[in-house]
Amino acid sequence: KQEVTQIPAALSVPEGENLVLNCSFTDSAIYNLQWFRQDPGKGLTSLLLIQSSQREQTSGRLNASLDKSSGRSTLYIAASQPGDSATYLCAVGTSGSRLTFGEGTQLTVNP
Amino acid sequence: GAVVSQHPSWVICKSGTSVKIECRSLDFQATTMFWYRQFPKQSLMLMATSNEGSKATYEQGVEKDKFLINHASLTLSTLTVTSAHPEDSSFYICSARNVGPHEQYFGPGTRLTVT
Repeated sequence: KQEVTQIPAALSVPEGENLVLNCSFTDSAIYNLQWFRQDPGKGLTSLLLIQSSQREQTSGRLNASLDKSSGRSTLYIAASQPGDSATYLCAVGTSGSRLTFGEGTQLTVNP
Repeated sequence: GAVVSQHPSWVICKSGTSVKIECRSLDFQATTMFWYRQFPKQSLMLMATSNEGSKATYEQGVEKDKFLINHASLTLSTLTVTSAHPEDSSFYICSARNVGPHEQYFGPGTRLTVT
């Protein structure tokens, strides 16, 4: 059974800092890995999707990497802003398009 | 593109009543839709997978008679919470998979409160 763990559970940083969120998974037989953002009481916003054959994806200030063999992914956020404050979820896609989610990292960027 | 909507966005109902939540893919055909629930400060838990025209596949521990899922068309899936109880209060989120890449597009969620 696939298990996804995210570290840290919560993170508070000053504005402008670069930061890294970590995600690990137990079964390396994955199709893809997705990073999502969730604002309080809202749905999910997809940030980056990495296919299993890819090593990383970039979008603006966000960069996600994938090391399938070690079961790890990182989400790098450059020059953080208060508007980046949200919960970041990592989800691993396996057969049948199933997604297994981590518990999330709650990020607070202080002005 | 790839927009998924849910209706209603929030609903309050009395214990013992049934509530239907709709999930629609607005600009693509979704052969597969997924239903998740999320308790406060917890992550999303997959409840069931529904394929158009066939019965839904429920995850272990999810009561299929309580959470009725219908995926009658390529753009619409519904989740009916039957005989709702306060413990069913949760945030329900659907997603839809487009043909092609194994990417899911998520709806905005429905907040259900059972009193």
